[in-house]
Amino acid sequence: NAGVTQTPKFQVLKTGQSMTLQCAQDMNHEYMSWYRQDPGMGLRLIHYSVGAGITDQGEVPNGYNVSRSTTEDFPLRLLSAAPSQTSVYFCASRRAGTEAFFGQGTRLTVV
Amino acid sequence: AQSVTQLGSHVSVSEGALVLLRCNYSSSVPPYLFWYVQYPNQGLQLLLKYTSAATLVKGINGFEAEFKKSETSFHLTKPSAHMSDAAEYFCAVSEARHAGGTSYGKLTFGQGTILTVHP
Repeated sequence: NAGVTQTPKFQVLKTGQSMTLQCAQDMNHEYMSWYRQDPGMGLRLIHYSVGAGITDQGEVPNGYNVSRSTTEDFPLRLLSAAPSQTSVYFCASRRAGTEAFFGQGTRLTVV
Repeated sequence: AQSVTQLGSHVSVSEGALVLLRCNYSSSVPPYLFWYVQYPNQGLQLLLKYTSAATLVKGINGFEAEFKKSETSFHLTKPSAHMSDAAEYFCAVSEARHAGGTSYGKLTFGQGTILTVHP
């Protein structure tokens, strides 16, 4: 039972490049979310999903896309990377009314 | 809509002293509340949660929190700080029931409080 698995752990991108951060969970959780963590700003919600085929925007969605074709996977796509997207990204999953389980994070640097 | 405010971005205590980290929430429906801890360069670990059972919740590592609806608060306490408690702490809120739309799937975090413990 792996929990929430995020890949990659580290990534350096050039401005304008695109990439996909992968997130997979094996706990059959219906809710999945992506957060970014920046110093002094806590975890800010980018996008979230309440089930396969259902996604919604969080607090800071601009520049990011998501889709949820299966219960297990919730990839985050950066369409055209910008230096302002340099951050640590966390994926999380949970069931209704329970705590979230987090991946180990992806440290992204955009130069 | 839901939000969380953590009062104090940095808290410093002496080893053995009381730890008090403050969290106030706003939610249009009854909330579930959580405290998480993050050690440097690590992910988030659940300390404790309130899910509408007992209002005084005990968690790991000697931490506890009390849900006070009248004050919309969920402050985290520990009677005696230990050096190993030094970390960043996050309070989070989610909806306890559906209020329409997909908002029940959101878990909203506060800005975090960095706890420093002095010998």
